[in-house]
Amino acid sequence: QQQVKQSPQSLIVQKGGISIINCAYENTAFDYFPWYQQFPGKGPALLIAIRPDVSEKKEGRFTISFNKSAKQFSLHIMDSQPGDSATYFCAASPFSGSRLTFGEGTQLTVNP
Amino acid sequence: GAVVSQHPSWVICKSGTSVKIECRSLDFQATTMFWYRQFPKQSLMLMATSNEGSKATYEQGVEKDKFLINHASLTLSTLTVTSAHPEDSSFYICSAAGDVNYGYTFGSGTRLTVV
Repeated sequence: QQQVKQSPQSLIVQKGGISIINCAYENTAFDYFPWYQQFPGKGPALLIAIRPDVSEKKEGRFTISFNKSAKQFSLHIMDSQPGDSATYFCAASPFSGSRLTFGEGTQLTVNP
Repeated sequence: GAVVSQHPSWVICKSGTSVKIECRSLDFQATTMFWYRQFPKQSLMLMATSNEGSKATYEQGVEKDKFLINHASLTLSTLTVTSAHPEDSSFYICSAAGDVNYGYTFGSGTRLTVV
């Protein structure tokens, strides 16, 4: 019940295209859903996060869509750029300061 | 924004020796710090959670005597890998939580290689 399932495992997109990564969860107590971007040899960096009281959040080229009834959320990267090539992790936690449960990660490659 | 400084960024040590990794929150008080381990092309695996001034809570399967965690102040947590062996070679990452609005800030990670 603590798992967060992430797909796809890897994704190749052409420059300018839309990258879509999906996550699903089981634990209805989860209340915070962040997405992290990680470059090789670096720690994860927060990209964007959402709470279940909204269905969508947009920050620049990055959008989270959240479907509470389906217990799914997704990351959309518009106008994908080669510099977006990285590993992306979704995560979830039940309350402030508690442990994050991570998805398995998606390796995104944006071809020029 | 919130910054977490993690040192060293990489370390090579001989088998049987101990290595200490530091994690500092530079501009906020971290009430809770998390230590993760990450193998190549895998997700982050939580090792332990530490709260300032109290003993760390270790995840199942993580040896508390091998991975010593100290969270002596609201800005500093350390992870000591004792009697390191080659199988302990991994990427270790800390994370600090202190913002009431679900803020988690990650350190830049430490690449440990035990030879």
